[in-house]
Amino acid sequence: ELKVEQNPLFLSMQEEKNYTIYCNYSTTSDRLYWYRQDPGKSLESLFVLLSNGAVKQEGRLMASLDTKARLSTLHITAAVHDLSATYFCAVDTNFGNEKLTFGTGTRLTIIP
Amino acid sequence: DAGVIQSPRHEVTEMGQEVTLRCKPISGHDYLFWYRQTMMRGLELLIYFNNNVPIDDSGMPEDRFSAKMPNASFSTLKIQPSEPRDSAVYFCASSSPGVEEKLFFGSGTQLSVL
Repeated sequence: ELKVEQNPLFLSMQEEKNYTIYCNYSTTSDRLYWYRQDPGKSLESLFVLLSNGAVKQEGRLMASLDTKARLSTLHITAAVHDLSATYFCAVDTNFGNEKLTFGTGTRLTIIP
Repeated sequence: DAGVIQSPRHEVTEMGQEVTLRCKPISGHDYLFWYRQTMMRGLELLIYFNNNVPIDDSGMPEDRFSAKMPNASFSTLKIQPSEPRDSAVYFCASSSPGVEEKLFFGSGTQLSVL
């Protein structure tokens, strides 16, 4: 059974600081996704990582993928308050299967 | 495109009642997913369809749950009879085949079973 684990589960950080969220998964994967969820809202796609060594950046967020280590990271640079949200990684285990397994989520709170 | 549309946004019902959740996927998307989100269990895939055909319903918790997709633009998730432990946010999502195949989520239905 595929397991997707994120850490930390909760993260409070000050504005302008840097931090990293980690996503480990237990089996080989073709694709890894990062999603954002604001409180009481839906999930919004941030990144799709398709291959080993893939790196994508959008604003203060950067995601990377190491398929050999079965690890993805979401790095936050110089955090600002509007990045406060819950971040999920999700893993697609079978190409074309479309079945995503989500991690536990990391609730990020940026403190002014 | 209006995105994935779910209704109702909120549903409060009493134990034993039938509940029907509705979803309209993004036009042209071949895949439709039903997820359930709770604090205890996180996001769980209940069932997904490809071209209106159920592909994997292994996540459906019990026979009380059923899902249908009569056409490409509509799906329902039904719970009969409902129980308090079914209280959760139910999300519908759709996607289209391609390199990235991102899921696009609806706004969810907050279900409370009293």
